[in-house]
Parts: sequence; C-alpha cells; structure tokens
Amino acid sequence: EAGVTQSPRYAVLQEGQAVSFWCDPISGHDTLYWYQQPRDQGPQLLVYFRDEAVIDNSQLPSDRFSAVRPKGTNSTLKIQSAKQGDTATYLCASSLSSYEQYFGPGTRLTVL
Amino acid sequence: QQKVQQSPESLIVPEGGMASLNCTSSDRNVDYFWWYRQHSGKSPKMLMSIFSNGEKEEGRFTVHLNKASLHTSLHIRDSQPSDSALYLCAASPLSNYNVLYFGSGTKLTVEP
Repeated sequence: EAGVTQSPRYAVLQEGQAVSFWCDPISGHDTLYWYQQPRDQGPQLLVYFRDEAVIDNSQLPSDRFSAVRPKGTNSTLKIQSAKQGDTATYLCASSLSSYEQYFGPGTRLTVL
Repeated sequence: QQKVQQSPESLIVPEGGMASLNCTSSDRNVDYFWWYRQHSGKSPKMLMSIFSNGEKEEGRFTVHLNKASLHTSLHIRDSQPSDSALYLCAASPLSNYNVLYFGSGTKLTVEP
C-alpha cells in the first residue's frame, strides 16, 4: 500500500514569494492534515479536512496561508508572500476517521 | 502556551540500556496520548497510543499513563542504535481524537 506522498520535497524562496505544497493521502483515508514543524520542534497542526470539508483551520495564518481539498482526495497548501518565520518542514498526514495518523515525508521550506 | 511538555530534551543511553522518556499535559481536557518516533530527516511514525490508566507493552516498548496527573512515560529496554531518533509525545482532547497537540520531543541517542 502506498503511503502519503508530498511534493516538492524541498523549496527555497526569497521573502515575498509564493509557494504551493501538494499532498496525496493514503487511498481511502477520509481525513487529511497539514502540520508545520519548525526545526527541533514538534509538529503543529495548521488545518485538517474530512473529505472536502475544512473541519478546523483555527491555527492557519489565514492572511497568507490557504489550503484546499476540492474532491476529498489530494490537497494543496499555499503560502502567499512567504516570510523567514515560515521556514519549517510542512508535513501532510492522513487517517481513517480519528485513528492513527500516517505522515508523509514532508516538504522542507527555507525562506531567505 | 504549549499543552504538552516533554523531558528530558535529550538523552544518551548505552546500547542494551533502558531509555525512559516523560511527557505531561497541562491541559486537563486531554484524554488520549500518542508516542511517535521520528528518525532524522524522516516523517513521524506512531509507536504506541494509550487511553486507559496503567501500562501497555509492545515488544521492547512500554508505555505508562496516569490520567489523574496527565503524565505518560515511554520506556525502551535493550536500546539499539537504530532507536536513536526524536521521540514525540502527543495528546488529544476527549472531544476530538483527530487533534494532536505535540510536545517538542526528546532526542534519544543510543551509543554502541
């Protein structure tokens, strides 16, 4: 069974540039999560979906971050006008309902 | 304010030794605890989860939970160099097991 896949694996931007991250969850998993993991810290939940619906986006910096999952399968997380403080690894995870979350390999973002 | 605190920040044990990691939540609304392991440059993978008071053992790994104090601990016996990783504790509120509050982790190094 294929795991959670993410792309790109790495991204390097100048401040003010935009970037999108893509996630393909495990087939059949209805719940998809996006986390931000700064270096040497634990992951912090940004947003999660059940099917195509946003369930909780309270930790998403809404002025610059957005996330969609239009067909309830793949998802895209976008950062408009990136800042140096956005430097982190962005992890996507999926689960079947509220069971164990399976994480993808992450996208390591560096904002210069 | 971080809801989950882990100690120690880092730990070095000899090969074959016992590693003991601690985790406490300051949020009395949490109800379920998870332990994840993250090897360097890799994604977090769930090791064990615990909901009930007491102890749970899986192979070389044992987890304890005291719900009154919201304290959980992970013990690894016969530690191997391959156990060297960042160990992340997470807690979920009783209202929603989809939400994981992660601590900052304990970096375990097992020296041959």
